[in-house]
Amino acid sequence: NAGVTQTPKFQVLKTGQSMTLQCAQDMNHEYMSWYRQDPGMGLRLIHYSVGAGITDQGEVPNGYNVSRSTTEDFPLRLLSAAPSQTSVYFCASSSKPPGQNSPLHFGNGTRLTVT
Amino acid sequence: GQQVMQIPQYQHVQEGEDFTTYCNSSTTLSNIQWYKQRPGGHPVFLIQLVKSGEVKKQKRLTFQFGEAKKNSSLHITATQTTDVGTYFCAGRYNFNKFYFGSGTKLNVKP
Repeated sequence: NAGVTQTPKFQVLKTGQSMTLQCAQDMNHEYMSWYRQDPGMGLRLIHYSVGAGITDQGEVPNGYNVSRSTTEDFPLRLLSAAPSQTSVYFCASSSKPPGQNSPLHFGNGTRLTVT
Repeated sequence: GQQVMQIPQYQHVQEGEDFTTYCNSSTTLSNIQWYKQRPGGHPVFLIQLVKSGEVKKQKRLTFQFGEAKKNSSLHITATQTTDVGTYFCAGRYNFNKFYFGSGTKLNVKP
């Protein structure tokens, strides 16, 4: 099993550009989520999904869009990149929402720099 | 902002010394999970605590969940260089939102 796969591993964008971070899991997990990690800030939840066709906002959703057309894929779109979005992005999945005693499985992360 | 407060932010210890990180919440948690992130890596699940006052052990690691389910701790006995990394706690605040603490970065000097 590949687990959670994120692409790309690294990305440099110019301010105003848009792009999509890809996330795919092969564990048939219903719950998927996106976090960003900044120094001293821990992991902050951007968006999450409890199943195909269902998404909701986390604590820092502004500037990001998500969709969940299949169980396997949960892409994160940056609409107009800003330097404040420079961060490491992690996608995570679990068989049930974490509050239902299900651990999160993380991808290897995407390191994004916006200049 | 952060709903789960974690201290200390950094800890430097000599190999063989003990280490503890603390996680505090202003509201009751239904459960708490702990994760470890090695330098340059991704968070990896360590353990979950659910019951009030629960204590779980994994070799040299001891995890506790407070009686009021508002705080938790991770204690490492006799640290080794392989313990280097950042330790995160994470707890649930509403049905599907799971928030992480800011993490404690542990450095172990050989």
